Amino acid sequence: GNSVTQMEGPVTLSEEAFLTINCTYTATGYPSLFWYVQYPGEGLQLLLKATKADDKGSNKGFEATYRKETTSFHLEKGSVQVSDSAVYFCALSDSGANSKLTFGKGITLSVRP
Amino acid sequence: NAGVMQNPRHLVRRRGQEARLRCSPVKGHSHVYWYRQLPEEGLKFMVYLQKENIIDESGMPKERFSAEFPKEGPSILRIQQVVRGDSAAYFCASSPGGNQYNEQFFGPGTRLTVL
Repeated sequence: GNSVTQMEGPVTLSEEAFLTINCTYTATGYPSLFWYVQYPGEGLQLLLKATKADDKGSNKGFEATYRKETTSFHLEKGSVQVSDSAVYFCALSDSGANSKLTFGKGITLSVRP
Repeated sequence: NAGVMQNPRHLVRRRGQEARLRCSPVKGHSHVYWYRQLPEEGLKFMVYLQKENIIDESGMPKERFSAEFPKEGPSILRIQQVVRGDSAAYFCASSPGGNQYNEQFFGPGTRLTVL
């Protein structure tokens, strides 16, 4: 079945540092890929998505590129802020419309001033 | 411009009681998904419903759990005879029909604590 593997956490960075969070996946067909962010005590918010190979999703300074050859969707940001402190989840959907999402375990990012 | 609404936000039950979790999707969305988040883990799919129909319940335990999405009103996730292992955050998500890329919109979750 489908699966998503995220790098182990937590991650602690200083403000303005460069961020990379690794995500690899196993799936049949052509899934869509997502990064969701969860702030303390809240639900998940879609951060960015990519729907086909070589697509780059971007939002709020975050980027991730759909790499089919390496089955990866790593999240990057050039300069993190304290407000980026949250839990980040990589996810994929099954092929086909209205399919369920499969999530990685999530990684906690803490950014210190 | 209401998003996905869930209530209650926090629910405390004693072992053996019933828990009812409600989810109102984004207006116009006809597809609802329920996910469970155990402590220190990612979200796990439970069930996918369209109006009045269960489409995929492959992630839902066979015993004690049920879900519905009636023609009128919110979707309900019902847990009978709760046990401590049911303590988790339960998230509902919705999407419109014909959602080719499977983008889902999540509610704030219900945090269930079983004493």
